[in-house]
Amino acid sequence: GQNIDQPTEMTATEGAIVQINCTYQTSGFNGLFWYQQHAGEAPTFLSYNVLDGLEEKGRFSSFLSRSKGYSYLLLKELQMKDSASYLCAVYNFNKFYFGSGTKLNVKP
Amino acid sequence: SAVISQKPSRDICQRGTSLTIQCQVDSQVTMMFWYRQQPGQSLTLIATANQGSEATYESGFVIDKFPISRPNLTFSTLTVSNMSPEDSSIYLCSVGQGANTGELFFGEGSRLTVL
Repeated sequence: GQNIDQPTEMTATEGAIVQINCTYQTSGFNGLFWYQQHAGEAPTFLSYNVLDGLEEKGRFSSFLSRSKGYSYLLLKELQMKDSASYLCAVYNFNKFYFGSGTKLNVKP
Repeated sequence: SAVISQKPSRDICQRGTSLTIQCQVDSQVTMMFWYRQQPGQSLTLIATANQGSEATYESGFVIDKFPISRPNLTFSTLTVSNMSPEDSSIYLCSVGQGANTGELFFGEGSRLTVL
């Protein structure tokens, strides 16, 4: 089975840094992906990790520890437009399984 | 990137009827999936659409309820059969070329409301 957990909701202030965690227990693992989904829209790709460590992509960074079954997405210099749901997904045996999603509220 | 056209974008259906959702991609893709997203929730994988053969369904989803076709590498359909209000959801087509390219692309979704 696939078990992927994220916090349900987080709130942060514009300009701040926020870390969204994702833990997983899956029957296999080929990569960990992060997607952003604004309300009423389809998810869009943000970042992915295949090996342990940090991947940086502008204001967004993602970290992976395969031994701990753990990843996080780090968002810096938060903007109001970052208010959205953030989904982590495990790529496993040619399929993508999504976590429950974290709704991020950015306040002024 | 891939451009995915999904239709209908939304529909209101009567209980007991069936609806077919179409997904057209502007290029040949290796992987094609159908997801369901119920209100306020994340994406649940229904099945992998396999070109020229039967789809591979996830636990809790069966072919009789969600028949899927994929006649070629650019097109797939998902039918939601004998609908009930519990089937009210957004259904999303997604495509990918494999882990080496990193990402899934999503259609805009089909929002179904079953009365």
